[in-house]
Amino acid sequence: KNQVEQSPQSLIILEGKNCTLQCNYTVSPFSNLRWYKQDTGRGPVSLTIMTFSENTKSNGRYTATLDADTKQSSLHITASQLSDSASYICVVSAESGNTPLVFGKGTRLSVIA
Amino acid sequence: EPEVTQTPSHQVTQMGQEVILRCVPISNHLYFYWYRQILGQKVEFLVSFYNNEISEKSEIFDDQFSVERPDGSNFTLKIRSTKLEDSAMYFCARTRTGTTEAFFGQGTRLTVV
Repeated sequence: KNQVEQSPQSLIILEGKNCTLQCNYTVSPFSNLRWYKQDTGRGPVSLTIMTFSENTKSNGRYTATLDADTKQSSLHITASQLSDSASYICVVSAESGNTPLVFGKGTRLSVIA
Repeated sequence: EPEVTQTPSHQVTQMGQEVILRCVPISNHLYFYWYRQILGQKVEFLVSFYNNEISEKSEIFDDQFSVERPDGSNFTLKIRSTKLEDSAMYFCARTRTGTTEAFFGQGTRLTVV
């Protein structure tokens, strides 16, 4: 069964600190892995999308890594800001075409002053 | 980033009533998806729609649900006879292809009373 597991479930950090969120997946065959940011009551917004051949990808203060061999990904946030408080969702696409995305439960990040 | 518009933003309905949720299409986006997110839970796939046909659906998408895109206009999700457990955020998502960025709408919050 295709699954995406994320850890930690929730995280509280001080403003300005860095943090790393983890994602493990058992989706096969793998097409791509995405990280989304979801503010409460809003739709998910894409941060990065990575294919099999990509090991790392950055988007501003967000850096995602992918190890397709171990089926693990991480999202690193540097110099956190209060506005980074949100749920971060790891999403994996099983194969090309119109296969639906498989969502993780997300990590709830709270950045405090 | 292309805008994805959903209407209404919030709908309250009595149990047993029919509701129609709408998603405004972008001409070069061929794949449409509906997802739902029950409060506090992860995003769940409902159905994917391509070339005016359902291409895949989940176990959640039972006979009470239907989707259509009449005359190339709005992409709609209909729930024929709502139940209390249908209360959730419903997100429309669209992509140009199955492997490119998925853009989510802001969602429709459905409350069944």
